[in-house]
Amino acid sequence: GQNIDQPTEMTATEGAIVQINCTYQTSGFNGLFWYQQHAGEAPTFLSYNVLDGLEEKGRFSSFLSRSKGYSYLLLKELQMKDSASYLCAVRDKRGSYIPTFGRGTSLIVHP
Amino acid sequence: DTGVSQDPRHKITKRGQNVTFRCDPISEHNRLYWYRQTLGQGPEFLTYFQNEAQLEKSRLLSDRFSAERPKGSFSTLEIQRTEQGDSAMYLCASSPRTGGNEQFFGPGTRLTVL
Repeated sequence: GQNIDQPTEMTATEGAIVQINCTYQTSGFNGLFWYQQHAGEAPTFLSYNVLDGLEEKGRFSSFLSRSKGYSYLLLKELQMKDSASYLCAVRDKRGSYIPTFGRGTSLIVHP
Repeated sequence: DTGVSQDPRHKITKRGQNVTFRCDPISEHNRLYWYRQTLGQGPEFLTYFQNEAQLEKSRLLSDRFSAERPKGSFSTLEIQRTEQGDSAMYLCASSPRTGGNEQFFGPGTRLTVL
């Protein structure tokens, strides 16, 4: 099975940087995903990490350490529209394409 | 192709009734997933199709739930004898045959069981 832990809620100021952490315990590992979900909408893909290190994509970056079972999503130059839930999801190595999602971190960006 | 579509977007039903939801994935996506999401939780896996074959089904899925993907294109999810605990958002996602790490989600069907 899998156990995924991320903070329930975070707040940050417009223009600032915020780091959302995710820790996981899996029997195997075949990739970690971050999705963004605005209230009442479907999740949208942000990033995928399968090797250790930092993946940068515009204002968003995602980091993975497989040995520590740890990832973070870094959001720079925060905008009000970044207020959303950020979901960490992990896929184990049982040959499945199916990720297991964490409960999500609700990020509130205020002026 | 405008993405994954789901129908209906909202469904209100009385306890004990049967409901059926439809999902149309992105064209040529061979993988299709159903999830259920309740408020404050992440999506919870229900079942997975590769083409028309149902390859995985969550142990949490009771025998009241059934899903089909008869021609490997659209999929239906049926819930029989609905219960109030079935109230949730039902999300469908698809991913392509190659480089298929990203899942593309549909807008969901919000089910309310009275």
